[in-house]
Amino acid sequence: GQQLNQSPQSMFIQEGEDVSMNCTSSSIFNTWLWYKQDPGEGPVLLIALYKAGELTSNGRLTAQFGITRKDSFLNISASIPSDVGIYFCAGQNYGGSQGNLIFGKGTKLSVKP
Amino acid sequence: EADIYQTPRYLVIGTGKKITLECSQTMGHDKMYWYQQDPGMELHLIHYSYGVNSTEKGDLSSESTVSRIRTEHFPLTLESARPSHTSQYLCASSPRGAFGYTFGSGTRLTVV
Repeated sequence: GQQLNQSPQSMFIQEGEDVSMNCTSSSIFNTWLWYKQDPGEGPVLLIALYKAGELTSNGRLTAQFGITRKDSFLNISASIPSDVGIYFCAGQNYGGSQGNLIFGKGTKLSVKP
Repeated sequence: EADIYQTPRYLVIGTGKKITLECSQTMGHDKMYWYQQDPGMELHLIHYSYGVNSTEKGDLSSESTVSRIRTEHFPLTLESARPSHTSQYLCASSPRGAFGYTFGSGTRLTVV
């Protein structure tokens, strides 16, 4: 089945630093999504991307849908302690079981004050 | 505000007991999902449903079973809990034809 390669697996950074993570796939997706999971909670949608080449921002977060439709990246600028958590990328296509989200394995972010 | 609820949030139970994890959503979503997640680890799809009386097994084999008798309710049952079932279980839903899921807060299950 389809798989997403998400990197890095974990990051340990200083408060104020910028963060970058990405996801790649061997097959194309119609939609890319980025989720954040706080400790002890369920994932929450951060950004959804619907069009190849699309660049979308949500506050300090910026995400892009790759031109090839096989990759996406997420940037966080000026990190703060509450950015701590696990970030998941997800790809999705249309219809039936192929419409199920395919998740990356996550990037665990730790921020040192 | 997410309108998908999971109960209980935490459950510690003895080996061999039968348990049901509850998941309800008030958004009228057709599609619902169950994921299993070990701490800090990836999400594994174990069951999904596209509507009432529709259930499918996910990518990860699981000894649990699910039912979908009502649109808003998607309970997960373990007939005989074992320590290997210790994990976090996340429920999610989405409307038909839309992208992305809404997740519940999860149930952390510990089998002793």
